[in-house]
Amino acid sequence: EAQVTQNPRYLITVTGKKLTVTCSQNMNHEYMSWYRQDPGLGLRQIYYSMNVEVTDKGDVPEGYKVSRKEKRNFPLILESPSPNQTSLYFCASSLLVQGDSPLHFGNGTRLTVT
Amino acid sequence: SQQGEEDPQALSIQEGENATMNCSYKTSINNLQWYRQNSGRGLVHLILIRSNEREKHSGRLRVTLDTSKKSSSLLITASRAADTASYFCATVITDSWGKLQFGAGTQVVVTP
Repeated sequence: EAQVTQNPRYLITVTGKKLTVTCSQNMNHEYMSWYRQDPGLGLRQIYYSMNVEVTDKGDVPEGYKVSRKEKRNFPLILESPSPNQTSLYFCASSLLVQGDSPLHFGNGTRLTVT
Repeated sequence: SQQGEEDPQALSIQEGENATMNCSYKTSINNLQWYRQNSGRGLVHLILIRSNEREKHSGRLRVTLDTSKKSSSLLITASRAADTASYFCATVITDSWGKLQFGAGTQVVVTP
């Protein structure tokens, strides 16, 4: 089944403890992206990647890191999480890098930082 | 600031009625996309309309795009309880490939 898989679904952590949210897609998509969703703000783009080893900042990249060592994986890293990073996170992928094909979303990771 | 803004923020209708929501954006776009989200789940793509297109249909969905007014509308005809969800527009800004920006969404409730 074609899908974007995020893990974990739920994560509670403490301030400053490094964490990684994994994202994997099995559709051979070129483009991958991370978003955070907060009430009243919709989805805001954190980072995106147009190909292996190519990543770019979205609108809210501060406090996050990403890597794209393989085409299928695009992990999101929080080196030193803070409470304002408590949010619902989504990974997404699409076939084309030009934004001219639909995004496929994972089911989300709900992160709480205390 | 957000590129796309949906209107209304919330919409409550009865089954069988039509639901219309609008999206306004600020800068020139390559395309505009509509997505649906059910209660905290991942978004599901509905329709993509390119900047040179004016109208698109998919089943009970109809999307229009007016680039002169920088606005788009999504119409759901003969709504069903299963259409209860949040609907988001997203834009790919001209010359900003890779940056897909979402609005805050319209929450639609369809009551049987």
